[in-house]
Amino acid sequence: GAVVSQHPSRVICKSGTSVKIECRSLDFQATTMFWYRQFPKQSLMLMATSNEGSKATYEQGVEKDKFLINHASLTLSTLTVTSAHPEDSSFYICSAPGARGDEQFFGPGTRLTVL
Amino acid sequence: QKEVEQNSGPLSVPEGAIASLNCTYSDRGSQSFFWYRQYSGKSPELIMFIYSNGDKEDGRFTAQLNKASQYVSLLIRDSQPSDSATYLCAVRKAAGNKLTFGGGTRVLVKP
Repeated sequence: GAVVSQHPSRVICKSGTSVKIECRSLDFQATTMFWYRQFPKQSLMLMATSNEGSKATYEQGVEKDKFLINHASLTLSTLTVTSAHPEDSSFYICSAPGARGDEQFFGPGTRLTVL
Repeated sequence: QKEVEQNSGPLSVPEGAIASLNCTYSDRGSQSFFWYRQYSGKSPELIMFIYSNGDKEDGRFTAQLNKASQYVSLLIRDSQPSDSATYLCAVRKAAGNKLTFGGGTRVLVKP
């Protein structure tokens, strides 16, 4: 199956700083990638759809100025959490649909802790 | 009403028994249905997907879909302690589009 990587796997930062998370499709091209957030004991909530070469589509209630998404190439999407606060601490997971669109391949996730 | 609903559990199952998980969805436009397994601290991994009404079997897993009742289920036969995880139901309207997840059902398989 296709492989999606994320970097970093874990990050701890101080309140007010910005954190960038990378999502890469390693052996396939992805014109679309999805960013999810998961709080403890809760399910995955879609934050935004990242589109290569165009603006991301954000879900209702997600601040686009706080969660900046850039999809500059067919294999890389980045999520930048700007001015992070403790309530942004969460597990961030990206995914990309395969070539046929039948399934989505998930990255291993990034654990963000904001102190 | 949530778009995708699951019983949160925990569902406690003796080793070797069958675990039965249920999921209902509200959008009749949903076309594809997925079951993912998620271990604590890890990202979801796909178990199987189903598009058509009826049953689909893959090893110890069987997915069942009933579009008229807007219901999809997952059976795990010969449950093993390693099956202890949270099982997420997800639905999608069209190929390549976003997945909408249910809240997940936690399964505990006891030796």
